Amino acid sequence: GNSVTQMEGPVTLSEEAFLTINCTYTATGYPSLFWYVQYPGEGLQLLLKATKADDKGSNKGFEATYRKETTSFHLEKGSVQVSDSAVYFCALSDNTGGFKTIFGAGTRLFVKA
Amino acid sequence: DAMVIQNPRYQVTQFGKPVTLSCSQTLNHNVMYWYQQKSSQAPKLLFHYYDKDFNNEADTPDNFQSRRPNTSFCFLDIRSPGLGDAAMYLCATSKQTGENTEAFFGQGTRLTVV
Repeated sequence: GNSVTQMEGPVTLSEEAFLTINCTYTATGYPSLFWYVQYPGEGLQLLLKATKADDKGSNKGFEATYRKETTSFHLEKGSVQVSDSAVYFCALSDNTGGFKTIFGAGTRLFVKA
Repeated sequence: DAMVIQNPRYQVTQFGKPVTLSCSQTLNHNVMYWYQQKSSQAPKLLFHYYDKDFNNEADTPDNFQSRRPNTSFCFLDIRSPGLGDAAMYLCATSKQTGENTEAFFGQGTRLTVV
């Protein structure tokens, strides 16, 4: 079945540091890939998405590229801010999996001033 | 603004007392989902509706039921809440057409069982 694996956290960075959160996936079809962000006590917000191989999703300085050859969708940001502190979830949606969105375990990011 | 709205944000219920959580959407999406999220864990899909078709996950306990009376509303019923059912419950919707398959989430209902 479909699954998503992402790096364990927490990740602690200083402000303006470079961020990478690794994500790999397993899917039987051709999934769409997503990164969601969750702030404390809130629901999940879509951060960015990519729907086919080699697509790059980007938003608010975050980027991720859909790599079919390595089945990866790593999240990157060149300079993090304290306000980026949150939990980040990598996810996929595959119509062959019944229109379900499957999430990775989540990675908590702490950014220190 | 079009959105997914969950009520209430916080719900306290007694052990064994039935409770219903509500979700409404103004996005006119055909798919609605209920997820359970426990502290520091990923959201776990309980079930979803594709239009009126109900799809239960194999490991969702019978204690959890759902109703979708129309496109806009979906309810989660917990028939006899146990202490282990305390969690954040997230409602989400998606359109599932073309490349637009992302899920849009409500703010969640945090359920406490006492």
